[in-house]
Amino acid sequence: AQTVTQSQPEMSVQEAETVTLSCTYDTSESDYYLFWYKQPPSRQMILVIRQEAYKQQNATENRFSVNFQKAAKSFSLKISDSQLGDAAMYFCAYRSALMIKAAGNKLTFGGGTRVLVKP
Amino acid sequence: DVKVTQSSRYLVKRTGEKVFLECVQDMDHENMFWYRQDPGLGLRLIYFSYDVKMKEKGDIPEGYSVSREKKERFSLILESASTNQTSMYLCASGVLVGYNEQFFGPGTRLTVL
Repeated sequence: AQTVTQSQPEMSVQEAETVTLSCTYDTSESDYYLFWYKQPPSRQMILVIRQEAYKQQNATENRFSVNFQKAAKSFSLKISDSQLGDAAMYFCAYRSALMIKAAGNKLTFGGGTRVLVKP
Repeated sequence: DVKVTQSSRYLVKRTGEKVFLECVQDMDHENMFWYRQDPGLGLRLIYFSYDVKMKEKGDIPEGYSVSREKKERFSLILESASTNQTSMYLCASGVLVGYNEQFFGPGTRLTVL
């Protein structure tokens, strides 16, 4: 079974600065997808960024970028130019690329990292 | 705009009560999921469904059951609520193909007294 570990329960960052969230995972599969989800206080979880394991190029979405190290099974998220609206819980998640209907496309989540942004 | 809605944001129930949590999605997604969210544990999958009337156990199905009579609706049932089921419950939906994201509802915070 796959596991996802986020070793930082909480991170604090000054507004306009950069913060990096760590995520490691364990899998025996060679093809899979990785995601970072954001859950703002009292608001719905939304997707921040995603990475396909077979792509070597790191994904980027505006101020959010990832450092995907497949051999090390590491998938960190960098938030640049942090804004007050970035304050949230961030979850790293893993999904197998196998297209088996009865397996769904279920996600395995890490424990989450709370990001605090100081003005 | 995609939407996943849950019947209640907050719910307080007594031990032993039967509890229904309902989730509706308007995106015609095949897959629907129920997760439980607890501090430090992230989200854990309770059950999911890949088609009407089809269900599969997730990682923590004990004490829960589900029902999917229509494609857009997925219900989570606590047959006899217990205090250790006090938690945040999140519903999600998604498609099987590709690496499409799951879309989440706002969550139901359930307290069992």
